[in-house]
Amino acid sequence: NAGVTQTPKFQVLKTGQSMTLQCAQDMNHEYMSWYRQDPGMGLRLIHYSVGAGITDQGEVPNGYNVSRSTTEDFPLRLLSAAPSQTSVYFCASSYSGSEQFFGPGTRLTVL
Amino acid sequence: AQKVTQAQTEISVVEKEDVTLDCVYETRDTTYYLFWYKQPPSGELVFLIRRNSFDEQNEISGRYSWNFQKSTSSFNFTITASQVVDSAVYFCALSDFNNNDMRFGAGTRLTVKP
Repeated sequence: NAGVTQTPKFQVLKTGQSMTLQCAQDMNHEYMSWYRQDPGMGLRLIHYSVGAGITDQGEVPNGYNVSRSTTEDFPLRLLSAAPSQTSVYFCASSYSGSEQFFGPGTRLTVL
Repeated sequence: AQKVTQAQTEISVVEKEDVTLDCVYETRDTTYYLFWYKQPPSGELVFLIRRNSFDEQNEISGRYSWNFQKSTSSFNFTITASQVVDSAVYFCALSDFNNNDMRFGAGTRLTVKP
């Protein structure tokens, strides 16, 4: 099992550019989520999905879109990158009510 | 709204000392889960423990122990005889019973010096 994989590991964008962070899991977990980690603030939930075709907003959803067309994949789209979106992004998956397994993270810098 | 507070931003101890990391939470839910995760310098997040709100029994796993007290809304984590490899950022987290809204504390950076 590869667990939770994220690509890319590092990314530098210019303000206004768009991009998609990829997340995939091979554990057949129904629940997947995206977090951002900023210094001194822990992890904050951006969006989550409880199954294919179902997504919902977390604590800090503005500026991000998600979709869940398959159980395995949960991409995060930045529509128009801003410097405030410079962060480390973690994807996670789990069975409902169980502990979440996190990917290795994507370090994003927006200039 | 759910909230987790880890008041200790940084803790520094000398190897073999015991150390307790505090976690206080707020929730209106009657059923919920509490978690601890470890983030070593390499950056990955490592699951340590999950505790549901019905189970207030303390838990021990090797040098790690957890004290859950609903009366004070606390879920503290103690490392006994700390080691240099315990140096990491530790996060406490709270979720509803379906994991649909997980809130993390700001984390406590633990440094264990040889």
